[in-house]
Amino acid sequence: NAGVTQTPKFQVLKTGQSMTLQCAQDMNHNSMYWYRQDPGMGLRLIYYSASEGTTDKGEVPNGYNVSRLNKREFSLRLESAAPSQTSVYFCAVSSDRPNQPQHFGDGTRLSIL
Amino acid sequence: AQKITQTQPGMFVQEKEAVTLDCTYDTSDQSYGLFWYKQPSSGEMIFLIYQGSYDEQNATEGRYSLNFQKARKSANLVISASQLGDSAMYFCAMTADSWGKLQFGAGTQVVVTP
Repeated sequence: NAGVTQTPKFQVLKTGQSMTLQCAQDMNHNSMYWYRQDPGMGLRLIYYSASEGTTDKGEVPNGYNVSRLNKREFSLRLESAAPSQTSVYFCAVSSDRPNQPQHFGDGTRLSIL
Repeated sequence: AQKITQTQPGMFVQEKEAVTLDCTYDTSDQSYGLFWYKQPSSGEMIFLIYQGSYDEQNATEGRYSLNFQKARKSANLVISASQLGDSAMYFCAMTADSWGKLQFGAGTQVVVTP
């Protein structure tokens, strides 16, 4: 009964390194999202995917790329990490029906030195 | 553009008392959804309650209720009979498009004391 699984849970990178955050779901939902959470702020949307093969930018997409590999998996890539990308990253999923709650993974805590 | 405002950065509440967390929103859309999430110190995001803009009755889920005042654009969360386990950060969020994208407020930290 995993729901939404994010890997890794923690990661430390050096400036300029690349990294892919993985998200997998077993809820059979079409919509998937990536958010970042910074201290003192709510979550902000980075990218989302309404279905397999489609992705679109959210509020803060700069410095990130995403891939919707299949219905289950949605990955977030940092090509050249910067200290400003130090944050907690959350993946979320929801069904297609309007105004359904999003179900979140446990988050990835990423530090960039 | 949508905006969610939570004006209370932190609150203390005694065990067994009720607490109200404020949330105001700004949108020009007629159809939207309002959500509350709980984030304990362990970090996960837990969905608590949902209110649709066309719902005439306030939403309730166990000890959680949502005081929805559409004309004032407010969606306050009421937690009744607070428990120590209610200590957490609480986020108000809204969505107003078919893609379900959430806009979050900055959150309110609640500490329940014995």
